[in-house]
Amino acid sequence: DGGITQSPKYLFRKEGQNVTLSCEQNLNHDAMYWYRQDPGQGLRLIYYSQIVNDFQKGDIAEGYSVSREKKESFPLTVTSAQKNPTAFYLCASSIVGKSNQPQHFGDGTRLSIL
Amino acid sequence: QQQVKQSPQSLIVQKGGISIINCAYENTAFDYFPWYQQFPGKGPALLIAIRPDVSEKKEGRFTISFNKSAKQFSLHIMDSQPGDSATYFCAASMSMDSNYQLIWGAGTKLIIKP
Repeated sequence: DGGITQSPKYLFRKEGQNVTLSCEQNLNHDAMYWYRQDPGQGLRLIYYSQIVNDFQKGDIAEGYSVSREKKESFPLTVTSAQKNPTAFYLCASSIVGKSNQPQHFGDGTRLSIL
Repeated sequence: QQQVKQSPQSLIVQKGGISIINCAYENTAFDYFPWYQQFPGKGPALLIAIRPDVSEKKEGRFTISFNKSAKQFSLHIMDSQPGDSATYFCAASMSMDSNYQLIWGAGTKLIIKP
């Protein structure tokens, strides 16, 4: 079955530590996205990528970094510069080249501060 | 102008009743309006979507009503069931956006009481 796999499901970060969230898709989608979800605030876009080796900042990129070395992988690093990282992180993918394509989501990673 | 405003923030409906969630937008360039359903601990999944050339779209118990002149659209869940209890997000996008971004509403937590 095609889909998006996020790991780990739960992650704990110590002060001053960088942590990396994994996102892998086998849908052969070109575009991938990272969102942050906080209660009552909906989904906020952190970074997105439409092609390998290229990515753009979303609305809340500060304190985060990404890479896109392979089409199927789009890892997100939460750096120590992100002072309030506790949230539910969602990865998504979609087709590009056709307008208005739905985004397909993984089941998220819940990050907490130790 | 890029916002999508969603209401109510939470909703409790008796089993068998009609659940109604509303969204409003300002940007008339939006031409795709999807609704996503999210269960706890899971990523959102596309439920139903509409384009502005139709005023209503129905899929089973789920109906989107679209009012282009008022710049509003709503989700109606007929014969609501406890299994419909979830968070619902409306969103909007525009074909001319080469970044293929979705603009998200803040979400509505729906509880169906048995």
